[in-house]
Amino acid sequence: AQKITQTQPGMFVQEKEAVTLDCTYDTSDQSYGLFWYKQPSSGEMIFLIYQGSYDEQNATEGRYSLNFQKARKSANLVISASQLGDSAMYFCAMREMDTGFQKLVFGTGTRLLVSP
Amino acid sequence: GAVVSQHPSRVICKSGTSVKIECRSLDFQATTMFWYRQFPKKSLMLMATSNEGSKATYEQGVEKDKFLINHASLTLSTLTVTSAHPEDSSFYICSALAGVYNEQFFGPGTRLTVL
Repeated sequence: AQKITQTQPGMFVQEKEAVTLDCTYDTSDQSYGLFWYKQPSSGEMIFLIYQGSYDEQNATEGRYSLNFQKARKSANLVISASQLGDSAMYFCAMREMDTGFQKLVFGTGTRLLVSP
Repeated sequence: GAVVSQHPSRVICKSGTSVKIECRSLDFQATTMFWYRQFPKKSLMLMATSNEGSKATYEQGVEKDKFLINHASLTLSTLTVTSAHPEDSSFYICSALAGVYNEQFFGPGTRLTVL
């Protein structure tokens, strides 16, 4: 089974609108961490936001927030007030306690295009 | 802080040659680094975990004799693609653990093209 599932290969949003990128995960660990990374066309991977499995509140980081629904095993990324520079690939990733809490498993990514 | 560099950013080589890619943590020490491979429009695939002063841990299906990893210091890990072939052409990206959440900070990547 896929550890991380991103069902949206591509998403379109207009500038200044909010957009939600979906991510569901599969783990039997009680302790795990969820990450979102942004990859612009230049190729670098940029860390955006982190949610720990024991965190009771949803993580927020500027215009990024993570809608964490533990029972549904989903960790959707919400980008508010989209900007043209947000156009990029977005990857959801997870690390688990049973892999030493270091290795990341990535989803297949969602390509976001922000239009003027 | 937590800047990771990679060198070279782009390399083109002939089939049969070996190529070395360097990954450096610039402002922190990294006992653990990771090497990934990414095909066009695909996700990152973990190749190996590089541990300072010990042998790398390779993921299933990754040939350790093909992809040599050396982590000789706390700021440098190298990936050598030996006897490169066109199918080794890919985007190689490294990362190191740092930060408040012990998250992975990535280098800018190396695009390898084998002719």
